[in-house]
Amino acid sequence: AQKITQTQPGMFVQEKEAVTLDCTYDTSDQSYGLFWYKQPSSGEMIFLIYQGSYDEQNATEGRYSLNFQKARKSANLVISASQLGDSAMYFCAMLIGGFKTIFGAGTRLFVKA
Amino acid sequence: EAEVAQSPRYKITEKSQAVAFWCDPISGHATLYWYRQILGQGPELLVQFQDESVVDDSQLPKDRFSAERLKGVDSTLKIQPAELGDSAMYLCASSLEPPNTEAFFGQGTRLTVV
Repeated sequence: AQKITQTQPGMFVQEKEAVTLDCTYDTSDQSYGLFWYKQPSSGEMIFLIYQGSYDEQNATEGRYSLNFQKARKSANLVISASQLGDSAMYFCAMLIGGFKTIFGAGTRLFVKA
Repeated sequence: EAEVAQSPRYKITEKSQAVAFWCDPISGHATLYWYRQILGQGPELLVQFQDESVVDDSQLPKDRFSAERLKGVDSTLKIQPAELGDSAMYLCASSLEPPNTEAFFGQGTRLTVV
């Protein structure tokens, strides 16, 4: 079955510290993509980072990096130097079959001052 | 900056009434998605268009939901009749073309059925 699992309903992090949000996935496809999106309280989904299954290097975008461990089927998001504005819901998603994206249940991140 | 436009932002309707949502994707984006997001959960794909054609509507409750994208640009999602369980955020997104391209999301329509 194609599935995304995010086991952390909520996470707290101190401002300026790094935090890792967990994501594991299940797919029988050899070619797939993994995304992370941020959803602030205003509701819109904001794309953060993408990792292709054949990419050998972990993706990075500014303070965001994706720790991709293919054998373990995990694609954790690392946010470095957390900021108050990082407080939001974070969704891991997987592109399967070349065209369909499925989402995990999300992790709510709280950044403390 | 180009963005996906959705309207209305909020909608309250009585059960058994009809309701419609509109989405205008980013210009040039061939792929358009409608997602439903129940509070506390991740988005669930309802329907995906490639230009004006439906490529996936396996999770669309077709007895009450319909979606169209007649000219391959903007799209309408309709619910008739609405049920209490339809209360959710309805998100529209678009992308240039899968694979390997991120989807850009609109701000969503929050539907409350009373």
